[in-house]
Amino acid sequence: DAGVIQSPRHEVTEMGQEVTLRCKPISGHDYLFWYRQTMMRGLELLIYFNNNVPIDDSGMPEDRFSAKMPNASFSTLKIQPSEPRDSAVYFCASSLDGRRATQYFGPGTRLTVL
Amino acid sequence: RKEVEQDPGPFNVPEGATVAFNCTYSNSASQSFFWYRQDCRKEPKLLMSVYSSGNEDGRFTAQLNRASQYISLLIRDSKLSDSATYLCVVNTGTASKLTFGTGTRLQVTL
Repeated sequence: DAGVIQSPRHEVTEMGQEVTLRCKPISGHDYLFWYRQTMMRGLELLIYFNNNVPIDDSGMPEDRFSAKMPNASFSTLKIQPSEPRDSAVYFCASSLDGRRATQYFGPGTRLTVL
Repeated sequence: RKEVEQDPGPFNVPEGATVAFNCTYSNSASQSFFWYRQDCRKEPKLLMSVYSSGNEDGRFTAQLNRASQYISLLIRDSKLSDSATYLCVVNTGTASKLTFGTGTRLQVTL
């Protein structure tokens, strides 16, 4: 049974470039979460979706970040334009339902912005 | 004050030792509590949920003290394979939002 799939696994880009991260949640999971992890700030929730609808995007750092979920099996997180301070590991996670369900994380995308 | 606070460690313990991690949370409305484990350069994975009455899973015991807003994780008979970062996680009851602590790093040595 496939887990959460993320691509790419590693991304190195230059400041000012557009970056698109992709996620395929576990089939049947109604919730999808995007997190960012850095040494300084730990794991931070950026945005989450329920049944493809964005529910809470209060963690999105600024307008340069946007996320979409066009269908139940695909989501993207886009950064445009990227900046060096965006360098982090970005995780996607999914869960069956909300409060007590286990969140299953993908392997993450390690983003480096030069 | 951070919503979830943990001692970052590292905790360096010999194999077979018992080690305890603590975590405090600031929101008294928090309803669900978890410990996740994260290996180096890997994704976090659920270790165990934490229930009000305390719960045990093999060598792992989790405790919750709502009055003090305090969560603990006890690992008995530590194994080399327990070396990882342990993340304290709290759901404030606001839908599905989880707040993660920055983690406590454990290194078990021979």
